[in-house]
Amino acid sequence: SQTIHQWPATLVQPVGSPLSLECTVEGTSNPNLYWYRQAAGRGLQLLFYSVGIGQISSEVPQNLSASRPQDRQFILSSKKLLLSDSGFYLCAWSVQSDNQPQHFGDGTRLSIL
Amino acid sequence: AQSVTQPDIHITVSEGASLELRCNYSYGATPYLFWYVQSPGQGLQLLLKYFSGDTLVQGIKGFEAEFKRSQSSFNLRKPSVHWSDAAEYFCAVGFYGDYKLSFGAGTTVTVRA
Repeated sequence: SQTIHQWPATLVQPVGSPLSLECTVEGTSNPNLYWYRQAAGRGLQLLFYSVGIGQISSEVPQNLSASRPQDRQFILSSKKLLLSDSGFYLCAWSVQSDNQPQHFGDGTRLSIL
Repeated sequence: AQSVTQPDIHITVSEGASLELRCNYSYGATPYLFWYVQSPGQGLQLLLKYFSGDTLVQGIKGFEAEFKRSQSSFNLRKPSVHWSDAAEYFCAVGFYGDYKLSFGAGTTVTVRA
């Protein structure tokens, strides 16, 4: 069966520090991969998605970036964190086909001080 | 513009009572539809999905949803709520030709004894 792992589960970082969140999927090949941010009391905002290695689509301009160095690995990064980057970050995967559900990891709670 | 609306931000229901969560969408194309549930500090879990065919779909945990094309709605129901159903519920909509999903803002369900 397929599983998705995100780490770390929680992270506290100072303003201006770099960020690297990692997501890996097991049990499937060539998945679509997604990064979402969920601010407190709000819905999900799609940040990036990827349909293949090295292929990244950005949905929202910001100081975050994403990379997909391997088929089942998706990384969310920042060179300098802002206070507004605080939130709950969720990684998800789906089969590469229309009408397929997305399956979510357990998320990373990021607090910026 | 495409949009997904969950009109109820918060619903409180007694244990054993029925529950209905509303979801309305605005899309020009034929949608495919999902309901997810999120417990505090966790990722999203897929409850059910609708692609085509029978407009009443059954999901996990005793939930069902009905697609009504004429009303552009996909409401989630459960006949008898358990305390463990307290969570946040998200409706999501996609359409053929696009891997992305649009999520509603979510409905928080509180279950009272």
